[in-house]
Amino acid sequence: QSALTQPASVSGSPGQSITISCTGTSSDVGGNNYVSWYQQHPGKAPKFMIYDVSKRPSGVSNRFSGSKSGNTASLTIAGLQAEDEADYYCCSYTSISTYVFGSGTKVTVL
Amino acid sequence: EVQLVESGGGLVQPGGSLRLSCAASGFTFSSYWMHWVRQAPGKGLVWVSRINTDGSRTFYADSVKGRFTISRDNAKNTLYLQVNSLRAEDTAVYYCARVPNIGQFDYWGQGTLVTVSS
Repeated sequence: QSALTQPASVSGSPGQSITISCTGTSSDVGGNNYVSWYQQHPGKAPKFMIYDVSKRPSGVSNRFSGSKSGNTASLTIAGLQAEDEADYYCCSYTSISTYVFGSGTKVTVL
Repeated sequence: EVQLVESGGGLVQPGGSLRLSCAASGFTFSSYWMHWVRQAPGKGLVWVSRINTDGSRTFYADSVKGRFTISRDNAKNTLYLQVNSLRAEDTAVYYCARVPNIGQFDYWGQGTLVTVSS
């Protein structure tokens, strides 16, 4: 199973909004609503940010939002803050009962 | 407080084996599917395996099928990953994660590093 496709890097200034895309196939992203997103700071474990395409776990800022259209899911970070600088990964359940993560996107706050 | 603590990583020669452990606390371990996810140095996350609540159902990524075995001991609140026939490309930090519902990796351990090298 190939990794879902994400842009290698995205950047923005503080206060701006950025969007990270996550492209898969009809066998994963396009085939169900089990897309989730994770934030990972250097040397740390991933943190659960979004599930079921657009739902936020308790404690996650409402500046983070998710959406999906066809085989592409997206994570938007509004009001970008310095602490948002990290790597972000999407993840999807697949048609063969496995999971596939995205290739990862490095977010830089300018 | 939910805690997941991995152990068992280390330096191993190609073809060697290790057993990774993940000690769980702060929740009813036997009620949750558990997963292993790995991350090669400087690379992205890769899903490895998952196991259901009583250990009767397991799933693997194609890259590890036949070489890795996931298991659990609910009496000891511990998840395991037996990794055999190790290759250089298996070098990674191995994380365990709790998944309460499909697609929700809500808690992760700090990871244990496996290095495969001669």
